[in-house]
This record gives sequence, structure tokens and C-alpha cells, in this order.
Amino acid sequence: NAGVTQTPKFQVLKTGQSMTLQCAQDMNHNSMYWYRQDPGMGLRLIYYSASEGTTDKGEVPNGYNVSRLNKREFSLRLESAAPSQTSVYFCASTGTVETQYFGPGTRLLVL
Amino acid sequence: QKEVEQDPGPLSVPEGAIVSLNCTYSNSAFQYFMWYRQYSRKGPELLMYTYSSGNKEDGRFTAQVDKSSKYISLFIRDSQPSDSATYLCAPSTSGTYKYIFGTGTRLKVLA
Repeated sequence: NAGVTQTPKFQVLKTGQSMTLQCAQDMNHNSMYWYRQDPGMGLRLIYYSASEGTTDKGEVPNGYNVSRLNKREFSLRLESAAPSQTSVYFCASTGTVETQYFGPGTRLLVL
Repeated sequence: QKEVEQDPGPLSVPEGAIVSLNCTYSNSAFQYFMWYRQYSRKGPELLMYTYSSGNKEDGRFTAQVDKSSKYISLFIRDSQPSDSATYLCAPSTSGTYKYIFGTGTRLKVLA
């Protein structure tokens, strides 16, 4: 039982490059989320998926796209990376109010 | 005005002290009040939550909500060096999505 896993752990991109952050959970949770965490800003919701096949915009969706590939996997894509997207990205999944888990994070640096 | 305000700290206390961590919020529709603990370079973990007003106790931790003053508190009794982390409050209108995170308070418990 691995919980929530994220790949990669760390990535450096040049401005304009694209990449996909991968997230998977093995707890059979319906809801999955992508957050970014910046100093002084707290965690901000990028996108949310209530169930397989559905996605919803969060507070800061611009510049990102998501895919809920199946119940386990929820990916975040940056089509054309910008320095403002330098951040730590966390994936999370929720079953009930008590069962919420975050992944270990992906540190992204955009030059 | 931010929806959730939290003093970033750092807050340094001696081992064994009682710690009080606080947040204020502006949205009266919030019903769930979550507290997360985040160790350095790790993902947040759900510590505890309360629903509506009142107190909830879990071991050395007590969460308190005063909806009349829109004030959320987390108390840690007999604090330990292992409690050194960043604590984030996150109220929500629903229990399972769209949490609004505070910026987090960094706590250091000195041995």
C-alpha cells in the first residue's frame, strides 16, 4: 500500500518546455487534487477531480491541464512552462473527510 | 482581505510548553475546519478536523472553532521536538474538496 505517489520528484525545465506530472493512488479514492505550494502563499488548488472522467478548475488553473486517466491516476500537464510556475506541486486524494492523503511533492524549477 | 489568515511564525517554544496556533477566516459558509501538519520537504498530513463549532480532542491536540468570531485554534499540550513542523489550517464548505489553506505557521519546539 503506497498511498499517493508522484513522479518525478524534481524537474528543471526551460521556459516554453512542456511536461506532465504524474500522480497515482492505491486507496480506491474517488476524489483527487493538484495543488501548488509557494512561499507565503500556502497551498492553492489548481484542479480537482471528483471522480473518474470529471475535472474541475480550482483557484489557479491557468497554464495547466489535467487528465483523470482512471480512478487511480490524475496527471497535471504544463504545455508551455513559465518561470511563474516554479513551485512545489502536491497531488492529494480523498475518500472521506478523515481519509485524505498527500503525495511527497514534485519540485519544479522553470528557468 | 484573504479568506484565511494565519501568522507564518516562526514560533519557538521550549519542550513541554502548551502551543496555541490560530487562524481567522472570512467566509461564514465554512463548516469543516481542518488542521494539517507538514514536515520540512514533505507533503501535508491531516492532523484533525472539526465540524461546525466546538472543540475536538485527540491525544495532546485540541482543535477549537468559534464561528461567531471566525476564529480557529489548534492547541498542542506537552509539546515535543517531534512536533516541530508547519501547521496549516484549511476551512471548507464541504468536507472533501475546495479547502482554502492558510499560509501555515512554522513551529519549533526546543529540547
